[in-house]
Amino acid sequence: ETGVTQSPTHLIKTRGQQVTLRCSSQSGHNTVSWYQQALGQGPQFIFQYYREEENGRGNFPPRFSGLQFPNYSSELNVNALELDDSALYLCASSLRDSQNEKLFFGSGTQLSVL
Amino acid sequence: DAKTTQPPSMDCAEGRAANLPCNHSTISGNEYVYWYRQIHSQGPQYIIHGLKNNETNEMASLIITEDRKSSTLILPHATLRDTAVYYCIVRVGYAGNMLTFGGGTRLMVKP
Repeated sequence: ETGVTQSPTHLIKTRGQQVTLRCSSQSGHNTVSWYQQALGQGPQFIFQYYREEENGRGNFPPRFSGLQFPNYSSELNVNALELDDSALYLCASSLRDSQNEKLFFGSGTQLSVL
Repeated sequence: DAKTTQPPSMDCAEGRAANLPCNHSTISGNEYVYWYRQIHSQGPQYIIHGLKNNETNEMASLIITEDRKSSTLILPHATLRDTAVYYCIVRVGYAGNMLTFGGGTRLMVKP
């Protein structure tokens, strides 16, 4: 149990729709990041947020966007869904100010785009 | 971050030590070796990390070669619950939340 919770656990959308995924960070953590994990592959970094601002981004298009709130919870928004967006979306939190920070992951949201 | 190479799969008998190798021949002097694992249907879980000295915690031991070009994660007494995909990652000490996951090693612990 990492203390990182994600909702919903499963979601089905159709192509072209928009989706919002939510993440509650572990208590005391100030940084959150999102990863996409396609079936059979390792997680791929989407972006991270620190102090409510995006602070690093992977190779994902602008239709992937996010928010971090003052209580350090976070949302991942994906617009204009494509079939290839079907994946497990993982949220991870950490304490930014610690050297060698460890990431704590939630169990993810399984998104299916039909 | 330096690239890592791991065998795609390994088997281990329950109760025996599981030794998972990782090659990172292009590692830089300021990069650490991290290990995470992912049990089916869960998010990745931190196991251990190190710079150049061997490390041990309640979950595992990490052995890093003197030239730092490879390392081995050791689970001293593997159980069925250790069946998972194990990821070896090298990164600078502070790199934010960005981890570069490779394919990992799928460890199957068998009774």
